[in-house]
Amino acid sequence: SQQGEEDPQALSIQEGENATMNCSYKTSINNLQWYRQNSGRGLVHLILIRSNEREKHSGRLRVTLDTSKKSSSLLITASRAADTASYFCATDEGNTDKLIFGTGTRLQVFP
Amino acid sequence: GAGVSQTPSNKVTEKGKYVELRCDPISGHTALYWYRQSLGQGPEFLIYFQGTGAADDSGLPNDRFFAVRPEGSVSTLKIQRTERGDSAVYLCASATSGRSRPFFGPGTRLTVL
Repeated sequence: SQQGEEDPQALSIQEGENATMNCSYKTSINNLQWYRQNSGRGLVHLILIRSNEREKHSGRLRVTLDTSKKSSSLLITASRAADTASYFCATDEGNTDKLIFGTGTRLQVFP
Repeated sequence: GAGVSQTPSNKVTEKGKYVELRCDPISGHTALYWYRQSLGQGPEFLIYFQGTGAADDSGLPNDRFFAVRPEGSVSTLKIQRTERGDSAVYLCASATSGRSRPFFGPGTRLTVL
C-alpha cells in the first residue's frame, strides 16, 4: 500500500536542541496524525491535525499542516534523551477509513 | 486494562506452517485494523473491519492471508503456508468508528524460520 514520505530518515541531536521532521503525502485528507514508536512495538498517538487546521500545539510538540503542498512537519522543542524513538505520520488518504503511514524518522537524542 | 491486547506477543514458526494471531480490541470499538510492520519500515495496512464485515481488505498481500471477526469484537489474522518474508510485527488497532483515532495494541512479532 502507498505510504507517505518522511524526511529525514534519521536525525541525531543533542539534548535541548529542537528536532524537526517532515512528512509529505499524496492525496486529499481529512486529517493527519503523528505517532511515536519505541523499539519497533507499540505506536503511541501524539497529535491529530485536521485538514482545516494549519497549526496545533501539544506540550513540547508543534505540528503544522500545509494542504496546498500536501506536507506536514512535527517540531519537538527542547528535546530530551527520552524522546529517542521513531516518529511516523499517518493520513486517511483518499478519504478512506484506513490510515496510511509514512516511512518514519528515527530520532536519536544524545544526553 | 482497557487497551487493545494481542496474543501471542511473540510467535516463532517454521516455513510452511499455519499461524493465527489474535486481537482483542477495546470494548465497544466497532472499527478494527490489522497492520504489518517490517524492520525499519512504517506500518503497512492489511485489512479493516467495521463490525463483523471486512470493509477494506485491499492490503492483504495474497490469498495466504485471511482475517475474521465473527462477533464484531475479537479478530484473528490467519496466515497459511508461512514464508520467511512474512516475518514482521503484526499490529492491531481499534477505534470507536471508522473516522475516529485508532488505538494500537503492542503487536505480535512473527518470526518464520
